[in-house]
Amino acid sequence: GAGVSQSPSNKVTEKGKDVELRCDPISGHTALYWYRQSLGQGLEFLIYFQGNSAPDKSGLPSDRFSAERTGGSVSTLTIQRTQQEDSAVYLCASSLAGRGPYEQYFGPGTRLTVT
Amino acid sequence: EDKVVQSPLSLVVHEGDTVTLNCSYEVTNFRSLLWYKQEKKAPTFLFMLTSSGIEKKSGRLSSILDKKELFSILNITATQTGDSAVYLCAVPPVMDTGRRALTFGSGTRLQVQP
Repeated sequence: GAGVSQSPSNKVTEKGKDVELRCDPISGHTALYWYRQSLGQGLEFLIYFQGNSAPDKSGLPSDRFSAERTGGSVSTLTIQRTQQEDSAVYLCASSLAGRGPYEQYFGPGTRLTVT
Repeated sequence: EDKVVQSPLSLVVHEGDTVTLNCSYEVTNFRSLLWYKQEKKAPTFLFMLTSSGIEKKSGRLSSILDKKELFSILNITATQTGDSAVYLCAVPPVMDTGRRALTFGSGTRLQVQP
């Protein structure tokens, strides 16, 4: 079946602009996660959704970052007033509820470059 | 706070070599440790280890966990250029904390030269 998909695959934006990144999880996966990975770094957790609610937002780096999920499916990560330090690959993952947090399936990511 | 440290940060080998990648961890109430392979962007799942001393094997890749010394190793034998990737080690959080995110190490970048 289809895996996790993300769009766009690449995004170049000017400093100060807003961007929206989209994630389509695997059908039936109720848990959805956003991570980001800066160049040469490990994955940094941003936010976790269970259904449409976000019980863990602890990784969002500032109030410029927000995310929502609708219909228990598609999620959008929004970064307002982008800064150069926001440049990274943003990865989305999903997993089945009740199977623990560890069997996460990752999407191909969105590479964000802020100029 | 959970902590995962991987070494080396990068490694260059020739085809046919055997490599060993290391992952040490400090976690509260350890449950499992996971290895992922990341080529380009998306990490793909390799192994999940929960029991000490039991080797997980998949083809030329194998991994083992030492819960006493708090580390895991990932071995790749007879390396091929297709093994070139970043190898990530991760631990899941304790379930009753409400957290669900994996804590990742910074990864080991492996480059296999022909």
